[in-house]
Amino acid sequence: NAGVTQTPKFRILKIGQSMTLQCAQDMNHNYMYWYRQDPGMGLKLIYYSVGAGITDKGEVPNGYNVSRSTTEDFPLRLELAAPSQTSVYFCASSYANGPPTPTGELFFGEGSRLTVL
Amino acid sequence: LAKTTQPISMDSYEGQEVNITCSHNNIATNDYITWYQQFPSQGPRFIIQGYKTKVTNEVASLFIPADRKSSTLSLPRVSLSDTAVYYCLVGDSNYQLIWGAGTKLIIKP
Repeated sequence: NAGVTQTPKFRILKIGQSMTLQCAQDMNHNYMYWYRQDPGMGLKLIYYSVGAGITDKGEVPNGYNVSRSTTEDFPLRLELAAPSQTSVYFCASSYANGPPTPTGELFFGEGSRLTVL
Repeated sequence: LAKTTQPISMDSYEGQEVNITCSHNNIATNDYITWYQQFPSQGPRFIIQGYKTKVTNEVASLFIPADRKSSTLSLPRVSLSDTAVYYCLVGDSNYQLIWGAGTKLIIKP
């Protein structure tokens, strides 16, 4: 199993450009997440998905969009890139079969470092 | 949402036992306590999770007192490779977790 795979690993964007960060997992996990991490800080949740066709906003969704058409893939779209979106982006997945058990161990990708100039 | 408080940084030496304490005074009944480890330029990695009392796995132990308002991650006989940031998180679902800045642990030879 490859686990969680993110592409690209590095990207430089100009202000106003758009791009998609790709995320794929091969563990048949129902939950998937996108986080951003700024230097010296903890992770902030952008969007998450509890299954194919279902997405929901996290703590910092503005400027981003997601879709979940399959169990495996969870792309993150940046529209009109801004310098404030310069960050490291992590995709993660987990499995849970519902309450009362917690939503399982998070498995993270290696991250995508985005710079907006 | 429960928040956690943990030391910003800690130093220790190879071979020592390291204990990192986390305070979570507002923990809810359904919340679990989870610890992650993060190396530079990598995503966090799950270490251990518990609800009450003590949990032990092959890399760490987690001690949770009866009132559950704090927890202690114990790393036995640390090595240089344990230098990392350690996050303490509480919640009953991953999408509710609030990630603080964590504890930067530096292990010296």
